[in-house]
Amino acid sequence: SQQGEEDPQALSIQEGENATMNCSYKTSINNLQWYRQNSGRGLVHLILIRSNEREKHSGRLRVTLDTSKKSSSLLITASRAADTASYFCATTSGSRLTFGEGTQLTVNP
Amino acid sequence: GAVVSQHPSWVICKSGTSVKIECRSLDFQATTMFWYRQFPKQSLMLMATSNEGSKATYEQGVEKDKFLINHASLTLSTLTVTSAHPEDSSFYICSADEDSLVAEAFFGQGTRLTVV
Repeated sequence: SQQGEEDPQALSIQEGENATMNCSYKTSINNLQWYRQNSGRGLVHLILIRSNEREKHSGRLRVTLDTSKKSSSLLITASRAADTASYFCATTSGSRLTFGEGTQLTVNP
Repeated sequence: GAVVSQHPSWVICKSGTSVKIECRSLDFQATTMFWYRQFPKQSLMLMATSNEGSKATYEQGVEKDKFLINHASLTLSTLTVTSAHPEDSSFYICSADEDSLVAEAFFGQGTRLTVV
């Protein structure tokens, strides 16, 4: 069963705005990862944050992790139409990945 | 990053036939590969963990006799959907780890299976 819950389920913004997606999980984790999926395609790994890290940046991406609240957020700054996709968080426990329900992001030009 | 290739990218088959999907790690060895199923507008659900040289570990509710997994080498795992039915129509995705300490999984491009 999926332990990750993401909100919002869908997010629609204008190009140039920031997009924030949240993920909550239930069990202890080794790390948390964020993936992107374009419609009908495979997953692209965006960023990984370890359980002992609180914040990580990569380009226009900023990820936070709060292990006390069992939650993570993904911020995409200065969004572009090409950022339109589904975004999934995935927690790692051992070698097992468990995915959240995903957030469908639409960036309107 | 590491590359995982999945083939075919889409397949249409008749009810009752079997379909084999291949997952290859192109530039690294993977003792463990994972098979996921994704229904439209839903998340990925882990079906099974494929272990090189041993039997796969199936998730609860996944029929091992229907979804046959073979991981005969360190770079290839196959998923065979046997006696396919329309309800098996889905998007199947594999992933592989690089056996490193940091478990960044690399995903294949997925296979769209349509059973008619």
